[in-house]
Amino acid sequence: DIVMTQSPDSLAVSLGERATINCRSSQSVLYSSNNKNYLAWYQQKPGQPPKVLIYWASTRESGVPDRFSGSGSGTDFTLTISSLQAEDVAVYYCQQYYSTPPYTFGQGTKLEIK
Amino acid sequence: QVQLVQSGAEVKKPGASVKVSCKASGYTFTGYYLHWVRQAPGQGLEWMGWINPNNGGTNYAQKFHGRATMTRDPSIITAYMEVSSLMSDDTAVYFCARAAERRGWYDLWGQGTLVTVSS
Repeated sequence: DIVMTQSPDSLAVSLGERATINCRSSQSVLYSSNNKNYLAWYQQKPGQPPKVLIYWASTRESGVPDRFSGSGSGTDFTLTISSLQAEDVAVYYCQQYYSTPPYTFGQGTKLEIK
Repeated sequence: QVQLVQSGAEVKKPGASVKVSCKASGYTFTGYYLHWVRQAPGQGLEWMGWINPNNGGTNYAQKFHGRATMTRDPSIITAYMEVSSLMSDDTAVYFCARAAERRGWYDLWGQGTLVTVSS
């Protein structure tokens, strides 16, 4: 199984500042035949299901504010929130959908306001 | 309205089974895979498996082989996930989620179903 490891486990950022969350996979999730990274980022608020923010590592889902961006390739990925808003307080998960199952998630990163 | 609506909360005793439903609306049911993901209280997300509503094909995480069964009924645009031999650590919120491919991200989620296993 591919193990997904996020860092940090929790993060406190001031409003308007940048937030960066990292995700590392135990093996590459880059599929050479189409040059796509099989990685997604989700946001989960209390009592709600997760919501996809980013897929293919850097493609923003329709309707997601452009302050959210994804980058990286192979085994190392980053979710960046360029200017933190109060409504961004949530837990963030990365997920790989590359390999034969299971399609594993990271352990989550809790983002709070400083 | 495009949505997945799941059945209500369940309380079960250890050793029992539970069957959770996931009803689709607003899109072509057979055009997307449905994956099941669970989340224990205060914990992260755990992928369980997927079902292809078009032909009923399934794939389960090794952990759930033989204990989880995913089915569907296209006539009522509903998918089901049954877990047998429940244990206390099966207590979790169970989500269904839509993906365009068997290997894909989830662009639509059900609201979740809390299953509590307690004697």
